[in-house]
Amino acid sequence: SQKIEQNSEALNIQEGKTATLTCNYTNYSPAYLQWYRQDPGRGPVFLLLIRENEKEKRKERLKVTFDTTLKQSLFHITASQPADSATYLCALDRVDSSYKLIFGSGTRLLVRP
Amino acid sequence: NAGVTQTPKFQVLKTGQSMTLQCAQDMNHNSMYWYRQDPGMGLRLIYYSASEGTTDKGEVPNGYNVSRLNKREFSLRLESAAPSQTSVYFCASRTKGVDNYGYTFGSGTRLTVV
Repeated sequence: SQKIEQNSEALNIQEGKTATLTCNYTNYSPAYLQWYRQDPGRGPVFLLLIRENEKEKRKERLKVTFDTTLKQSLFHITASQPADSATYLCALDRVDSSYKLIFGSGTRLLVRP
Repeated sequence: NAGVTQTPKFQVLKTGQSMTLQCAQDMNHNSMYWYRQDPGMGLRLIYYSASEGTTDKGEVPNGYNVSRLNKREFSLRLESAAPSQTSVYFCASRTKGVDNYGYTFGSGTRLTVV
């Protein structure tokens, strides 16, 4: 069955450093991969989408890579700030009429001041 | 600019009671989804509606029913609540064909079944 793995252990880094989160998947051929941010008690918020034929995408301090051979995506936050502390979810998507997303369980990021 | 609105925000039910979770979006999105989120399990799809007039089962549909009332509204019904349905429920929507945008989520309904 399809499986998405994100590190369940929290990532704890110092302000100003680059945070790197990993998303691995098996038994799936996604057309797109998405990243979301979720704060406690809130719904997930869409951050970035990357297509299977794109290697990298950037948005401000965020960078996402997508390696379909390794079946892995890396999510980077450069110059991290305490306000970046949240849980980050990876989600896989494929092109069909349903536009369904399959989510990983997320990795919690804590940025220390 | 309300986005996706879910009601209620919190609910406590007794085992066997029924209730309907309401969801409405004002973005003219075609597709709507219901997920549940449990600790360590991530978001799991319960039901979805790819377009008005259609609904389909997701990964964990047992114990739930849905209604796509119109393009704006998609409700989730628990006919006979069980403690295993204690969870946080999220509704989401997405427009068709615009592949640069992800889902828009509501703020969730925290349900406890005792």
